[in-house]
Formats: sequence, C-alpha cells, structure tokens
Amino acid sequence: DQQVKQNSPSLSVQEGRISILNCDYTNSMFDYFLWYKKYPAEGPTFLISISSIKDKNEDGRFTVFLNKSAKHLSLHIVPSQPGDSAVYFCAASAPGGGNKLTFGTGTQLKVEL
Amino acid sequence: NAGVMQNPRHLVRRRGQEARLRCSPMKGHSHVYWYRQLPEEGLKFMVYLQKENIIDESGMPKERFSAEFPKEGPSILRIQQVVRGDSAAYFCASSPGYRDNSPLHFGNGTRLTVT
Repeated sequence: DQQVKQNSPSLSVQEGRISILNCDYTNSMFDYFLWYKKYPAEGPTFLISISSIKDKNEDGRFTVFLNKSAKHLSLHIVPSQPGDSAVYFCAASAPGGGNKLTFGTGTQLKVEL
Repeated sequence: NAGVMQNPRHLVRRRGQEARLRCSPMKGHSHVYWYRQLPEEGLKFMVYLQKENIIDESGMPKERFSAEFPKEGPSILRIQQVVRGDSAAYFCASSPGYRDNSPLHFGNGTRLTVT
C-alpha cells in the first residue's frame, strides 16, 4: 500500500527554467510533509517542509505547495541549476508516529545546461 | 548529513552470515529510525527506537532482523542468516524528540551486499 506516490520517476529541465516535482498521498492523517534530496551514495538531505495548516512554504529557490483537498503537494525549484540534479523524495508523517516518515519512490531530476 | 554516523559504509556478507550495522545519532538526539532502500525503490521504514526502548517495529521483517539502542553506545541493526534479498542500502536517521515536526537527519547509509 503506497501511501505516498511520486508518479514521475524522472524529470529533465533546462538550466534556469522551473522544475516542478509532484507528490500525491492517500492517508488523510498525514499532517506534515517534507522534501528530501539525495545524491548517489549519500543519505537523504532535508530540503523543505510544510505543515498541513499552511498551503505554501518558501525557502530561497524552493517552494512547496500543499493542496489538502486534492491530497497533493508539489516542489518548485526556480531557477533550476545543474547542482540540483539528484533524486527528490517526498515524505509525510502523521500524529502518533513520532517523526516517522513515509516516503515516496522518488523522482530523478536532471538539470541540463 | 553531518552528525549522524553510520558504519561500516560498505559491508559484504556471504549467505547465512550475520550483518551488524551501527548508527550513532546526532549529538543530543535520543530517537533513532532505521530505513531500508532496495534498488530502484524509495526508503521503507523499518524500526523506531528511543534509548533502551523499541517504539515502533512495524516495518521490521518478522524473522532474522532485530534492532537495539542501548543506554550507552550506538544503535545496532542486526540481520542474522543473511540472504541475497537483504542486499540494500540501510539508512539511519535521528531526531531530538518524539514529535517536534523537525526533519529527520540521515546518515550516509550502509550498503549491504550479500553474495
């Protein structure tokens, strides 16, 4: 039962343009959402998060949007840079589980020159 | 990833041997989470521990796998009688408290290869 889904396994974007990564979830108990970035042979690195009481959170080039009614969130990166090329994981947590996260399967972003 | 230390980085075991993976959380963190990433898949939760307590082991296989986080020393994920299907990257993460909506901090993982 995949409670967090990232339906695009890969995305290719030109440098300077916007990257939009999408994530859908099915568990209505999730109330905290995060994006992690992962390079090969390294652990996931936290990027940005959003609580369910908000619909947008911005940090520099990264913005996360949450649409609770659609159970959908997205990560916008603008402008995209070659160093952003990595696998991006969407994750969510629910009350009662501590900080336990449920991850999506990831989207491989490639930013081309 | 600074702060959460995992060792070894790479571990090769023959089928039937035991694997021990170690995780030292960030300073001041008393909660540890173990995740497994199989090839071409996302990270799957295995177990959540606090010092001397297993809080949630709902993701642990019923047999051969165990985890501990003693009062002193690192957290240990132990896999007995390894099989080829155990080959994966195992990641440890830590947090300071039970639920503070702070992000988990991950180590760089241990890559287990079973031959």
